[in-house]
Amino acid sequence: DAMVIQNPRYQVTQFGKPVTLSCSQTLNHNVMYWYQQKSSQAPKLLFHYYDKDFNNEADTPDNFQSRRPNTSFCFLDIRSPGLGDAAMYLCATSRDRTRTTTMGFTDTQYFGPGTRLTVL
Amino acid sequence: GESVGLHLPTLSVQEGDNSIINCAYSNSASDYFIWYKQESGKGPQFIIDIRSNMDKRQGQRVTVLLNKTVKHLSLQIAATQPGDSAVYFCAEFSSPSGGSYIPTFGRGTSLIVHP
Repeated sequence: DAMVIQNPRYQVTQFGKPVTLSCSQTLNHNVMYWYQQKSSQAPKLLFHYYDKDFNNEADTPDNFQSRRPNTSFCFLDIRSPGLGDAAMYLCATSRDRTRTTTMGFTDTQYFGPGTRLTVL
Repeated sequence: GESVGLHLPTLSVQEGDNSIINCAYSNSASDYFIWYKQESGKGPQFIIDIRSNMDKRQGQRVTVLLNKTVKHLSLQIAATQPGDSAVYFCAEFSSPSGGSYIPTFGRGTSLIVHP
């Protein structure tokens, strides 16, 4: 059964028209991440939520916002999509923040299948 | 600026051969590394990890080698199968504020396995 679900898998929007991407998880994980992955490039972290605590990466454009209304759901809002925002958007979760413990590193991330965004 | 149409490095192998995928990481303070496999249209999947106090770790058909001196990570896949065809990313984890670890992904290598 899918554990990290992203809807829709493909999204088409128009230049400047706000769009929202959705992620849900059945793992009851505390942390949810949003990544942007452009064609043939590595995923780039945009932001993450640790429970309700929002953590934005320094170079994430203001055009990208996120909401986490409850543990299971997290949304990525693109306020005014530009052509350069066309990409795969990946959601990931982890039980807790990746950190060191005496047992080693914990809580690696589980990725969803992604939503491919096209901007016309 | 961003590069459009950037091509991933590609490794082509025959089924049954061993594959070696390389990754150069950037932060000498990174102390945890993961290799991910990403199949077309899917999110990255965890393959194997290694801490910086190790130089080798083995899994099922996969081995990760870490050389901190030259900031180099490699993934070895034994007896490569067509199902191994995918893009492989390394991710380095560092904790700049001493708190939670944030990953930075490497560029990725496309592995193509020919039957």
